[in-house]
Amino acid sequence: DAKTTQPNSMESNEEEPVHLPCNHSTISGTDYIHWYRQLPSQGPEYVIHGLTSNVNNRMASLAIAEDRKSSTLILHRATLRDAAVYYCILSLSLDSNYQLIWGAGTKLIIKP
Amino acid sequence: NAGVTQTPKFQVLKTGQSMTLQCAQDMNHNSMYWYRQDPGMGLRLIYYSASEGTTDKGEVPNGYNVSRLNKREFSLRLESAAPSQTSVYFCASSRDGAAKNIQYFGAGTRLSVL
Repeated sequence: DAKTTQPNSMESNEEEPVHLPCNHSTISGTDYIHWYRQLPSQGPEYVIHGLTSNVNNRMASLAIAEDRKSSTLILHRATLRDAAVYYCILSLSLDSNYQLIWGAGTKLIIKP
Repeated sequence: NAGVTQTPKFQVLKTGQSMTLQCAQDMNHNSMYWYRQDPGMGLRLIYYSASEGTTDKGEVPNGYNVSRLNKREFSLRLESAAPSQTSVYFCASSRDGAAKNIQYFGAGTRLSVL
C-alpha cells in the first residue's frame, strides 16, 4: 500500500505562512498526491493535488520534491479558520479505480 | 447547491439492530464511496461504487452491505450492528475513479452502537 508519514500536530501563528510536510517514500509513478483537510465535526474538504510539478490554487500551494518522495503543503497566510486536521494522501489502484489511502493527518493549531 | 447529502446525522442503535444510512449526490458523479472514521484516525474505505449498478469492497467491508440505487444514491446497511461499528460514517462522490479526481464529502453520520 502507498503510505504517507506526517507529524501528529503543528502550531503556527495567525497571518504567518505554514509549511506542512509529508513523506511518501513508497510512492509509485502513477500515484497522485492529494491533500484534504477536515475542520472539527465536518466532512473532509479537498485542498489541492498534484503529480510531479508544483501546484497552486486559491487555498494553498503544493511543493513536490524532485524524487517525489516528499511534499509540502503551503498555506501562505494562515487564519484561525485554517485550524483543522490536514491529510496527505496517495491514490491506490484498485480494480482500475483509484482509491485514496488516508493516514492519521497533521492537526494544525493556529494561535491568534 | 447541496453536493453530498447524508441522512441521518446522528443515530443510536442497540447491538443487533439494523439500519440503513442514506447518501445522495446532485453533481452527476459516477463514483461514490462509503468511509468510516474512528476517533483520532483517518478515513477507511468500506465500499465504493465506480458506476451505477456496480459495487466493490474496500478496506473494511465486513458487517456492511451497500446498494447503488441509481446514479444519485448510494446506501450503506448494517444488518446486525455491533459496538465495533460505532464510528462516524462519511459518504463521498467523484466524477469517476481516476487518480486525479476530487472527492466531495457529506457532513457525516455519527453512529453509536450500545
